[in-house]
Parts: sequence; C-alpha cells; structure tokens
Amino acid sequence: DQQVKQNSPSLSVQEGRISILNCDYTNSMFDYFLWYKKYPAEGPTFLISISSIKDKNEDGRFTVFLNKSAKHLSLHIVPSQPGDSAVYFCAATSNFGNEKLTFGTGTRLTIIP
Amino acid sequence: DTAVSQTPKYLVTQMGNDKSIKCEQNLGHDTMYWYKQDSKKFLKIMFSYNNKELIINETVPNRFSPKSPDKAHLNLHINSLELGDSAVYFCASSRGVTGELFFGEGSRLTVL
Repeated sequence: DQQVKQNSPSLSVQEGRISILNCDYTNSMFDYFLWYKKYPAEGPTFLISISSIKDKNEDGRFTVFLNKSAKHLSLHIVPSQPGDSAVYFCAATSNFGNEKLTFGTGTRLTIIP
Repeated sequence: DTAVSQTPKYLVTQMGNDKSIKCEQNLGHDTMYWYKQDSKKFLKIMFSYNNKELIINETVPNRFSPKSPDKAHLNLHINSLELGDSAVYFCASSRGVTGELFFGEGSRLTVL
C-alpha cells in the first residue's frame, strides 16, 4: 500500500531551467508534507515543507505547491544548478508533530550543465 | 562534527548471524528513529524513541530489537539475520515538532 507516490523515477533538466518534481498521495489524513534531498552515500537532508493549511511555500530557489483536492504536491527549483543533482524524496505525515513520515520512492534529478 | 553518526557504514554477514548497528546524535534532540530503505528504494520507519521511550514500533519482526541507553543513542540489534534483511538502515533524530528529521549516512547491511 503505497500512500505516497513519485511516479517519475528520474528527470533531467538543463542548468538554469526550472525543475519540477511531482508527488501524489492517497491518504487524506496527511496534513504535513516535506521534501528531502539525498546525495549518494549520504542520508536524506530536509529541504522544504508545507502544511495543509497552505498551498504554497517558498524558500529561495525552492517552492513547494500543494493541491489538496488533487492530493498532489510539486517541488519547483528555479533556476536549476548542477549541485541540485540528487534524489528527491517526498514525505507526508498526519497530526502535525507526529514524526512518522511516509516516504515516496524518490526521483533522481540530473542537472545538465 | 557529524550530527547523526552511524557505525558501521558497511556490514557484510552470513545468514543466521546476529549484528548490531549503533547510532549517536549530538544535536540534543529528544526523538530518534530507525528507517529501512529496501532494494525498491522504499524508506520505511521501523522504530521511534522519545527520550529513551519507545513510541513507534512498526510491523517489524521481533528479531529486530532497538535499544536506547540514553536519548543521544539508539542502537539496532538484529538476530538470526535473513537474506531479506539486506538493506540500508538509516538512523535519524528530530526535535519532535516540525517533521524535520536529521538522518545519518546510513548503514548498508548485506546478508549472504
């Protein structure tokens, strides 16, 4: 039962362009969503999050959009840089403060110089 | 100065053996976790401890036993290792408020 899905296992984007990573979820109880970034041989690192009371959260080059009716969120990276090449995991949780995160399987983003 | 450190990073062992993975965090967090990333890249929670008390215990075989001697340490002991236990095990910690976890580098366990 995969409650958080990232249907694109990989994505390649030219440097300077916008990268859009997508995530879908099925559990309507989820109310807090996060994106993590992972480099090879390292653990995931927190990138950005959004509460279900918002539909957008921005932090520098990173913006997360939440569409609750579609149970869909996306991460936009503008402009994309070579250092953004990594695996990006979407995660969700219910009950703000409950640390039981449900992760997607990740999207490998490659930024082409 | 590593915030969440796990040892060993790599572990190769035979079926039936018992092994342990250690985790330490120096962030002063109250909550620590073990996550497992299997061959299909699913990252799933196994256990969570808050201030040495077990608060999340997912459907994990009882061959897996976490131990938290203090709130800065959470070790994972695995008895009678099976082939399906091969995975990368991540330790993490958090302040317990925002869902923001700090992960260690992972320990890759290979069972032959």
